Amino acid sequence: AQSVTQLDSQVPVFEEAPVELRCNYSSSVSVYLFWYVQYPNQGLQLLLKYLSGSTLVKGINGFEAEFNKSQTSFHLRKPSVHISDTAEYFCAVSEAAGNKLTFGGGTRVLVKP
Amino acid sequence: GAVVSQHPSRVICKSGTSVKIECRSLDFQATTMFWYRQFPKQSLMLMATSNEGSKATYEQGVEKDKFLINHASLTLSTLTVTSAHPEDSSFYICSARVQGFGGYTFGSGTRLTVV
Repeated sequence: AQSVTQLDSQVPVFEEAPVELRCNYSSSVSVYLFWYVQYPNQGLQLLLKYLSGSTLVKGINGFEAEFNKSQTSFHLRKPSVHISDTAEYFCAVSEAAGNKLTFGGGTRVLVKP
Repeated sequence: GAVVSQHPSRVICKSGTSVKIECRSLDFQATTMFWYRQFPKQSLMLMATSNEGSKATYEQGVEKDKFLINHASLTLSTLTVTSAHPEDSSFYICSARVQGFGGYTFGSGTRLTVV
């Protein structure tokens, strides 16, 4: 069975500072990895995904993530955050040959002016 | 592309009544749809997987008779919360895996409040 751990439940950060959200996963098979953002009372929006190929993945809104197979990690980064980046961020994994998406517990990012 | 439309966005119902939530794939065919429940400040919990033309597969601990899922066509899946109680109040989100996209697209969610 697969599982996802987001190590930080909440990350406060000042505007224009960099941010890193940590995600580790566990699976015995090949996986696809995703980062989603959720604004209050809304669904999830895909930031980026890793399916195969280059381990550095660039997404929307200036976010990027790096897949590290040896450390089973998929950390999300942004070099300079904006107030509008305040939201909940979810890391998720699915088995490459499977169907089910498993979510981490989420990380709340609070950008302060 | 790959948009899932979910309705209603908010619904308030009286205890004991039933509520139906719809999810439609607008520009693709969704063979499989997923239904999640999300409590405040928590992650998404998968309730069930619905497959077009067959019975839904429910996760352990989810009451099949309370949360009725129907996936009658390749573009529509519905979740009916039957005999709703205040503890069923939650945020419900649907999702579909998009072939060729390698990912999942989500509806905008439904905030259910049972009074």
